[in-house]
Amino acid sequence: DAGITQSPRYKITETGRQVTLMCHQTWSHSYMFWYRQDLGHGLRLIYYSAAADITDKGEVPDGYVVSRSKTENFPLTLESATRSQTSVYFCASSDGTLNTEAFFGQGTRLTVV
Amino acid sequence: LAKTTQPISMDSYEGQEVNITCSHNNIATNDYITWYQQFPSQGPRFIIQGYKTKVTNEVASLFIPADRKSSTLSLPRVSLSDTAVYYCLVDTGEAGGFKTIFGAGTRLFVKA
Repeated sequence: DAGITQSPRYKITETGRQVTLMCHQTWSHSYMFWYRQDLGHGLRLIYYSAAADITDKGEVPDGYVVSRSKTENFPLTLESATRSQTSVYFCASSDGTLNTEAFFGQGTRLTVV
Repeated sequence: LAKTTQPISMDSYEGQEVNITCSHNNIATNDYITWYQQFPSQGPRFIIQGYKTKVTNEVASLFIPADRKSSTLSLPRVSLSDTAVYYCLVDTGEAGGFKTIFGAGTRLFVKA
């Protein structure tokens, strides 16, 4: 299916465990983004990527790791999950043209217990 | 980085026109203004984008004054399904890439 998909949609993990959230897009967009959204708040940028093998930090990168070995995939890893990382995570992509729109996935609701 | 300020929430009734204003005093010359809509349990969705004056599409209009320090999203004849959070964004261009900075948004509640 064309578009941007995130997996899993829901995840419960324990404090201290490593967890990876997956993001896949079929448009060959050059830019991909990870955001987190906490209850009642807007989205905060965690990391973004301009192309394969090029990533950069956003507003709140601490505790997260990203990689982008292929253009279509942009996984987000929580190396040692903490309760403060309980949130809804959104992945997005865009074609990289300046001031173009971004397309968002459905989100992954992560709960750290 | 240009920051945006919007009302936290707004109420309206079905059939009314809704105007949501956003201020962005530090907008840069090359920045565009973009609005997104977000329904509960979904990712944001692009509504409209503009640089100056007026832009209109099938769902909304965007009014931008000459100084570009604010913008107004206009939703004509809202329905219950327009209840959502609306985000005003100023895209920030940087060498080698760009970031999209989201604020807290405006929660619009449309009543019957």
